[in-house]
Amino acid sequence: QVQVVQSGAEVKRPGASLKVSCKTSGYTFTGYYIHWVRQAPGQGLEWMGWINPDSGDTHYAPKFQGRVTMTSDTSISTAYMELSRVKSDDTAVYYCARDPLGATGAEYWGQGTLVTVSS
Amino acid sequence: QSVLTQPPSTSGTPGQRVTISCSGSSSNIGINYVYWYQQLPGTAPKLLIYRNNKRPSGVPDRFSGSKSGASASLAISGLRSEDEADYYCAAWDDSLSGHVVFGGGTKLTVL
Repeated sequence: QVQVVQSGAEVKRPGASLKVSCKTSGYTFTGYYIHWVRQAPGQGLEWMGWINPDSGDTHYAPKFQGRVTMTSDTSISTAYMELSRVKSDDTAVYYCARDPLGATGAEYWGQGTLVTVSS
Repeated sequence: QSVLTQPPSTSGTPGQRVTISCSGSSSNIGINYVYWYQQLPGTAPKLLIYRNNKRPSGVPDRFSGSKSGASASLAISGLRSEDEADYYCAAWDDSLSGHVVFGGGTKLTVL
């Protein structure tokens, strides 16, 4: 069965970088895009971007351009999202999701990773 | 401020039918499919409707989606207490090719 498991909660200082991993199993990793979505406390969902694990192509939301890097390691079926120069308003739960706006409705989400940015 | 506009909240009583609207533009809902998610407190979003009106396996037929022009709606019939959650619409947006937009979310309260 398909599984999407994210790395654990983190605390970061302002100005640091955060990197969240998203390990998948149960399907062909290169066959589906991975999207990253975040949710600040008490707020709605905010799309950050996607990566095509097959080609390595990425597309980032304008808000995060220049600060976010999405990568993948096909040998271990894992995607990564790195956000640099974090600020307090980057405190959020970060989700990865397999093909959340796809053609078949067969989407899978990770459990979410809480990142707290605090001095 | 979200690109897709949803009412912040709505409510209904058990057994009632409620609808949640999602308003977009010609670059997103007007030309692309709409997706609807349900998010229970402390959990990841769950897909309820994809490609405007299709239900993934396991989603009850009490949930239905529709789209007209640049707007879409999610309807929930036979409202149940476990439907109390946040609901989000989403769509691809062609104004910056390849990016996704979400609605701000609607909190559904079952009275």
